[in-house]
Amino acid sequence: EDQVTQSPEALRLQEGESSSLNCSYTVSGLRGLFWYRQDPGKGPEFLFTLYSAGEEKEKERLKATLTKKESFLHITAPKPEDSATYLCGGGSNYKLTFGKGTLLTVNP
Amino acid sequence: EAGVAQSPRYKIIEKRQSVAFWCNPISGHATLYWYQQILGQGPKLLIQFQNNGVVDDSQLPKDRFSAERLKGVDSTLKIQPAKLEDSAVYLCASSLNQISGANVLTFGAGSRLTVL
Repeated sequence: EDQVTQSPEALRLQEGESSSLNCSYTVSGLRGLFWYRQDPGKGPEFLFTLYSAGEEKEKERLKATLTKKESFLHITAPKPEDSATYLCGGGSNYKLTFGKGTLLTVNP
Repeated sequence: EAGVAQSPRYKIIEKRQSVAFWCNPISGHATLYWYQQILGQGPKLLIQFQNNGVVDDSQLPKDRFSAERLKGVDSTLKIQPAKLEDSAVYLCASSLNQISGANVLTFGAGSRLTVL
């Protein structure tokens, strides 16, 4: 059975304090490793897809990386508007399995 | 481009009552998904359709949940009878391409169900 585990469950940062979120996965036949952002009361919003170990993608203050067993979402100099739940998902041949998410709070 | 539309946004019912949720995906998207998200957890796939056919419903509690996607466009998810543990947000998503774990999903805002 496919499994995706995210840590920490919650993370509180000061504005400008860089950190990383972790996603470890066991997904048979991984087709893609996904990161989504979810704001309160809204559906998840797509951020990145990573397809192979060693791949990196960046968007503003976010950078996602992928190894054979885990992915990291690095947040550089975060701002309060980066506060959200970040979901990691592993895509097998035909479906996407999500982790529980990391609730990120960035204080001004 | 219009997003994924869902209704109602909120619903409160008594246990053993029934409820239905509606989803209209992005125009032209062949694949439609229903996810259940319990508070503090990640979304869990309930069922996915390719056009109007079911591809995977292995995690759908079929004794109380049903879903259909007539004409391969919009979809309805029904719960009858509801239990307390069904309290959750029901998310609909769609993707352009055929079934693949590499597809990017576009989610709706969700329907929040509270069962009392």
